Amino acid sequence: GAGVSQSPSNKVTEKGKDVELRCDPISGHTALYWYRQRLGQGLEFLIYFQGNSAPDKSGLPSDRFSAERTGESVSTLTIQRTQQEDSAVYLCASRSRGQDTQYFGPGTRLTVL
Amino acid sequence: AQSVTQLGSHVSVSEGALVLLRCNYSSSVPPYLFWYVQYPNQGLQLLLKYTTGATLVKGINGFEAEFKKSETSFHLTKPSAHMSDAAEYFCAVRRNQGGKLIFGQGTELSVKP
Repeated sequence: GAGVSQSPSNKVTEKGKDVELRCDPISGHTALYWYRQRLGQGLEFLIYFQGNSAPDKSGLPSDRFSAERTGESVSTLTIQRTQQEDSAVYLCASRSRGQDTQYFGPGTRLTVL
Repeated sequence: AQSVTQLGSHVSVSEGALVLLRCNYSSSVPPYLFWYVQYPNQGLQLLLKYTTGATLVKGINGFEAEFKKSETSFHLTKPSAHMSDAAEYFCAVRRNQGGKLIFGQGTELSVKP
C-alpha cells in the first residue's frame, strides 16, 4: 500500500512568515510522529499523536510550533513567524498500534531566508 | 535518560570491504534499538531492529547488527560494501513512553570504487 506522504517536498519562505506542513500517514496507523533534521545532525523528536489521546508535545522547541491531527489521518505542522534556525527537513512517521516500526515519509525541506 | 552515540560522522570504505558503523546507547531499561538508512533526498528506511530474543539481527541489503548488553552497543556491519550502500545511517533507541525514537547524529558512509 501507499507509504507516508508529505507535502510540500520543498518550501522556501521569508523570515517572519507562517508555514504549514502536511503529513498523510499510512492508512490505519494510529500513531504519528514529527521529527526535525537540521543540516548535518540527527533527528529531533517534535510531537507525537496516538489515537484520540492528548498529543505529546514535549519536543516542540518553542510556542511558534504547533501541530494538529484529524482523527487518525492527516496531520499538519505549523510554524509561525519563521526564523532562519527553523530551516531543516521536517520528517513525519507513522506506526501501527502494537508494532515497533515507524515508517517515515520523504520529508519537507524548509528554507527560511 | 536515553541517548545514542554514533562514533564517526563519516566512514569511508572500499567496495568489497567490511562495513562497520558503531552505535552505543544508554538506557535504564532494556532497549529497543533500530538502524535506519537515508539515501540522498529520501526519507528514512528501516534496515533492522532489535526488540527481544536473538541478539544478532539480520536486516535488509546484507546488513546485520549485534546487541551487546555488556558493552551497551548495537554496531552495524556488512561483510562486503557495495557502491549502492553509500548513504547516511542512523542508530536509534525507542523511548518506552509513546515509542518516540531518540536518534544518534548519523554516520555518512562513502564507498570508493
